[in-house]
This record gives sequence, structure tokens and C-alpha cells, in this order.
Amino acid sequence: GDSVTQMEGPVTLSEEAFLTINCTYTATGYPSLFWYVQYPGEGLQLLLKATKADDKGSNKGFEATYRKETTSFHLEKGSVQVSDSAVYFCALSDRLSQNFVFGPGTRLSVLP
Amino acid sequence: KAGVTQTPRYLIKTRGQQVTLSCSPISGHRSVSWYQQTPGQGLQFLFEYFSETQRNKGNFPGRFSGRQFSNSRSEMNVSTLELGDSALYLCASRADINTEAFFGQGTRLTVV
Repeated sequence: GDSVTQMEGPVTLSEEAFLTINCTYTATGYPSLFWYVQYPGEGLQLLLKATKADDKGSNKGFEATYRKETTSFHLEKGSVQVSDSAVYFCALSDRLSQNFVFGPGTRLSVLP
Repeated sequence: KAGVTQTPRYLIKTRGQQVTLSCSPISGHRSVSWYQQTPGQGLQFLFEYFSETQRNKGNFPGRFSGRQFSNSRSEMNVSTLELGDSALYLCASRADINTEAFFGQGTRLTVV
């Protein structure tokens, strides 16, 4: 079945540090991949997406590349800010099974 | 274009009562999904409706039910509330099965 695995959190970084949050997936077909972000007290917001292999999604300085060979979609940012503190969810939408599946989320705390 | 609207934002109920939550999707979106989010269990899928039909269901007891109307608005009902039902309930809408999901702000339910 479809599943998404993310690195365990919490992740604590200093401001301006480099961020990587690992995400790997298992899918029946050829999924679209997403990263969502949830700030305290709010719903999830779409951060970026990629719909096919080798696509790179990017938004607000965050990037992730769809790697079919390693079934991965790792989230990266070159220089994090305190305002990036949130929970990040990796997700997939499988065209074959028509499932939309979320990972468990990774909490990021950025210290000034 | 208005986003996903959930009402009410906050709710306090007593054990044994029932509750109905409402979700208005983005105009033109036909799919509505519901999720329960708690600190201990994370984000858990409840069910998805597409064009008024329940398309997928998560592993929740029958006390949790939902429906979707012809205008795509959806309601979720929880009967015989238990303390463990206290959670943030999130609704998400999608234009179609294989597109990204957009989330509402959530309804914070507290059962006392």
C-alpha cells in the first residue's frame, strides 16, 4: 500500500543553518509529491509540490526534488529563520490507488 | 477565491453529546476529506467524499460519520462523544482525485 516515512523530530536548528528533512515513500503507481507546513494553531498549508520524476518544487526558499530511483522527496532550505518554526508534512497522491497519504510530520524549531 | 472554511472554529462539548462540524470547500472542488489531529496520534484520515459519495474511510468507529451535499459542502458528525475525541478536526478540499489538497483552519473540539 501507499505510505510516507519522514525523519523523526523534533529538529532544532540555529537561525541561518541549513535544513534537510528526509522523506521517502512507497506507492502503488506514480504519485505526485507534496510538502505541507503547519504553523501553531492553524491548518496545513501547501508549501511545494512535484508531479513527476526529477521535478523540483520550490517556494519561500524551500526546495525538494522528486527522486524516483530512491523514492525520496527530501525538503531543504539553505538558511532557516525563526519564522520557519512549524511542523512539516510530506505527502503523496497516488494516481493509481487514488489515495492521498501523509507522513507523520516533523517538528522544526529554529532558535535565534 | 475563498479558501476552505470550517465552522465553528472552537467547540466545547460534554461526554455523551453529539457534535456536527461543517466544511465549505473551495468553489469548484468536488473532493472533501476529514482528518483528526491529536498530539499523540498525529494526523489521522477519517474519510473522503467525492461528488456526494464516500470514496475512502479511515479506521475510526461508527460514531464518526459524514456526508457531502450537492454543493460539495460537507458535514462530519460524532455521536456519543468521548474524552479521547478532543482534537483538531481538519477538512481539506481537492479539485479532483489527483490534485493537491487545500486545508481549512480546523475546528478545535474539546470534550469535557
